[in-house]
Amino acid sequence: QKEVEQNSGPLSVPEGAIASLNCTYSDRGSQSFFWYRQYSGKSPELIMFIYSNGDKEDGRFTAQLNKASQYVSLLIRDSQPSDSATYLCAVNTPYNNNDMRFGAGTRLTVKP
Amino acid sequence: GAVVSQHPSRVICKSGTSVKIECRSLDFQATTMFWYRQFPKQSLMLMATSNEGSKATYEQGVEKDKFLINHASLTLSTLTVTSAHPEDSSFYICSARDGLGQPQHFGDGTRLSIL
Repeated sequence: QKEVEQNSGPLSVPEGAIASLNCTYSDRGSQSFFWYRQYSGKSPELIMFIYSNGDKEDGRFTAQLNKASQYVSLLIRDSQPSDSATYLCAVNTPYNNNDMRFGAGTRLTVKP
Repeated sequence: GAVVSQHPSRVICKSGTSVKIECRSLDFQATTMFWYRQFPKQSLMLMATSNEGSKATYEQGVEKDKFLINHASLTLSTLTVTSAHPEDSSFYICSARDGLGQPQHFGDGTRLSIL
C-alpha cells in the first residue's frame, strides 16, 4: 500500500462546477496535510494546509480532513480553466527526517 | 513570505560536464532542504534530504557520488550533478522548510538538458 494515494485522473469538470480531489494516507500518526498545485512544466506551489479534523476554507478552496478515515480532500468551488493542473496531496509523518510524503497527483481539467 | 529561489532555471550542456544548481531560501531559515527530480508526465521523485551542516540523506537508488549536495548555511543548498550524461536530463526542483511539520516551499526548478 502506498503511503499517500490519489486517483491519477484525469478529472474533468465544467467551468463553474465544484471539483473534488481526494487523498488517502496509510500512517495514522500523520499530523499535517498539504495540497499543492503543479502546472505543466512548473514546480509545485502550496495551496492549503490543514492540521485538524474538519473543514478549512480559503477563498474558492476548502480542505477537508477526516483522521479517523485517513482521508483528506480538496474542494474547488466555481472551477475555472486556470485551475487546470495536477494537484498533489502531501502528508507529514513525524518519524523521520524526511517527514512529508507526496501522492502521485490528480490531473484536473476544467472545460470552458 | 516563504520564497525559495532556484538558479539556474535552465541548463544545456555537453555530456561529461558537471552542473551546479543553487537553492536559496530568501526570507526564512531553512533547517531542511529537499531535492527532487521529475521526468515528463511523472511524479516528483525525492532524491535527497539535507540539513544544514550535516551530510545529506539520499533515497535508495540515488548515487551520492554523482549527485553531490552541500547545505552549508541555513539559506543555501547546492546540488552538483557530476559528469552528467543524457539520462540525467530532467527537471530538478528544490524545496525548503523552516521546521518539522511545516510546509515545503518549492523553487521554480531547473530544467537540465545534457546533449
